[in-house]
Amino acid sequence: DVVMTQTPLSLPVTLGQPASISCRSSRSVVYSDGNTYLYWFHQRPGQSPRRLIYKVSNRDSGVPDRFSGSGSDTDFTLRISRVEAEDIGIYYCLQGANWPTFGQGTKVEI
Amino acid sequence: EMQLVQSGGGLVQSGGSLRLSCVASGFTFSDYWMAWVRQTPEKGLEFVTNIKEDASYKSYVDSVKGRFTVSRDNAKNSLYLQMNNLRVEDTAVYYCARDPGFAGYDVWGQGTMVTVSS
Repeated sequence: DVVMTQTPLSLPVTLGQPASISCRSSRSVVYSDGNTYLYWFHQRPGQSPRRLIYKVSNRDSGVPDRFSGSGSDTDFTLRISRVEAEDIGIYYCLQGANWPTFGQGTKVEI
Repeated sequence: EMQLVQSGGGLVQSGGSLRLSCVASGFTFSDYWMAWVRQTPEKGLEFVTNIKEDASYKSYVDSVKGRFTVSRDNAKNSLYLQMNNLRVEDTAVYYCARDPGFAGYDVWGQGTMVTVSS
């Protein structure tokens, strides 16, 4: 299976300041159709995960533009340009190019 | 509004069985693959199983093969997970999720707790 490694696992943040999370895969998550099936999810305490980003850099409907995704092949980043209080929780990356595997999660806290 | 509402789950002894259900609304259920994903504090999020739109294809994580069965009833907009011979390590919150393709789970159920005691 493809192993997804997130860093850091814990991220103290300051409101209004930027934050970023890294996700690295043990092998390429580019599928044979040329697409990179890498997603980012956010989970607030007591809630289900919510998809934020699909195929590396596409924001889902309703996701604030302070969230952005970037990267290629095996190295990906989720950035928050200015952290707001509602952004706390755990962020996960997921690859779907192979058997689906999630990263361990990054806990973002104020 | 697209929604997945789950039911089932609970406490069961090792070796027992449970059936989870997931009812979809707000989208054409029969147009989508569906999946079950589970979450534990120790292992995080883990893909368990998925099923094609017409149920002609299913896949399972190795740890549940031969014990869990995924099914769907498109006439009832419903997804099911039959879990037999449950083990303590199956204890988790189970989520159903819509898969628009390549595990892009874009709609999630509220989750249901399954606890297996020894």
